Amino acid sequence: AQKITQTQPGMFVQEKEAVTLDCTYDTSDPSYGLFWYKQPSSGEMIFLIYQGSYDQQNATEGRYSLNFQKARKSANLVISASQLGDSAMYFCAMREGQGNQFYFGTGTSLTVIP
Amino acid sequence: DAGVIQSPRHEVTEMGQEVTLRCKPISGHDYLFWYRQTMMRGLELLIYFNNNVPIDDSGMPEDRFSAKMPNASFSTLKIQPSEPRDSAVYFCASSLRDVIEAFFGQGTRLTVV
Repeated sequence: AQKITQTQPGMFVQEKEAVTLDCTYDTSDPSYGLFWYKQPSSGEMIFLIYQGSYDQQNATEGRYSLNFQKARKSANLVISASQLGDSAMYFCAMREGQGNQFYFGTGTSLTVIP
Repeated sequence: DAGVIQSPRHEVTEMGQEVTLRCKPISGHDYLFWYRQTMMRGLELLIYFNNNVPIDDSGMPEDRFSAKMPNASFSTLKIQPSEPRDSAVYFCASSLRDVIEAFFGQGTRLTVV
């Protein structure tokens, strides 16, 4: 089974609107972390936001928030007030307490339309 | 801190040649990861180290690939001999401890002709 599933290969959003990028995960480890990374066309991988499995509240970082629904094993990224510079690939990732390797999804390509 | 530093940024080599990619992790980080990214296969974990010790190399595609971490501030990924299908972007990433985010280097774009 896939550890991380991103079902949206591509998304479009109007500038200044909010957008949600979906991510579901699969683990039996009670201790894990969930991450989102942004990869612009220049190629670097930029860490955006982190959610720990024991965190009670959803993580927020500026315009980014992580909608963590533990029972549903989902960790959707919400970007508020989209900007043109948000156009990029977005990767969801998970790191289990046991093993410690990172599992990445296949990514979602976000295009912000002016 | 300067972040994770990879060199070279770009490498073009002929099939059959040896290629060495280098990585300097963030100081104090005790985990180091090597990833390969291609359009077809996405991001693949090749190998990762904890405290300079290789923990899982099951992602290394074949014996042509080898990785070392002689000390806490340096790691290499070597391909010998290189083949055109090795063309990809190779990322190095490091993290401070388990279950915390990893920070990526800028990547090395390898082209084998």
